[in-house]
Amino acid sequence: NAGVMQNPRHLVRRRGQEARLRCSPMKGHSHVYWYRQLPEEGLKFMVYLQKENIIDESGMPKERFSAEFPKEGPSILRIQQVVRGDSAAYFCASSAAAGALVSGQFFGPGTRLTVL
Amino acid sequence: GQQVMQIPQYQHVQEGEDFTTYCNSSTTLSNIQWYKQRPGGHPVFLIQLVKSGEVKKQKRLTFQFGEAKKNSSLHITATQTTDVGTYFCAGRGSSNTGKLIFGQGTTLQVKP
Repeated sequence: NAGVMQNPRHLVRRRGQEARLRCSPMKGHSHVYWYRQLPEEGLKFMVYLQKENIIDESGMPKERFSAEFPKEGPSILRIQQVVRGDSAAYFCASSAAAGALVSGQFFGPGTRLTVL
Repeated sequence: GQQVMQIPQYQHVQEGEDFTTYCNSSTTLSNIQWYKQRPGGHPVFLIQLVKSGEVKKQKRLTFQFGEAKKNSSLHITATQTTDVGTYFCAGRGSSNTGKLIFGQGTTLQVKP
């Protein structure tokens, strides 16, 4: 029973390039959350998605960032025209529809993005 | 907006000593969750508290949820080197949208 999968684990981009981060939730989970973590800091909520719907994107920067969770395939966090300040660990978490209330969120291993 | 504050930011203890981290929310929470993140790792869910005044135990870990549902604590008795890591509390507001607001975390170092 695979856990939450994220790829790539490490991603290096030059300023101005695009970064695409992928997340496959745990089997049976239909809710996906994206968080950003800077070194020695806590997790900052970015966006909460269900299949084909964005439920809460209050933590997403208004420009350059977008997220989707299509009917088929993984959830994608896309960062356009990356800047050095985007360097961080990006974690994806998932929960079951009813399980969100009782079981917590299950986190993937994260994608460490470095912008040169 | 809703904020969750956690103290202390760092704690160094000798193995065998106790450890406590405290979490305070600016608003009433519907529930609170605790996570542990090992260095270089990802957050791992520990527990969820829902009821006012609730106390739950997991071996040497004791979790409490305040009567007003605005604060929580995690206490570790007789720390071990395996307890090293960062402990985060995460609150869910009354709107219950699924969104969690994380505290800044308390990083625990245990000297053998």
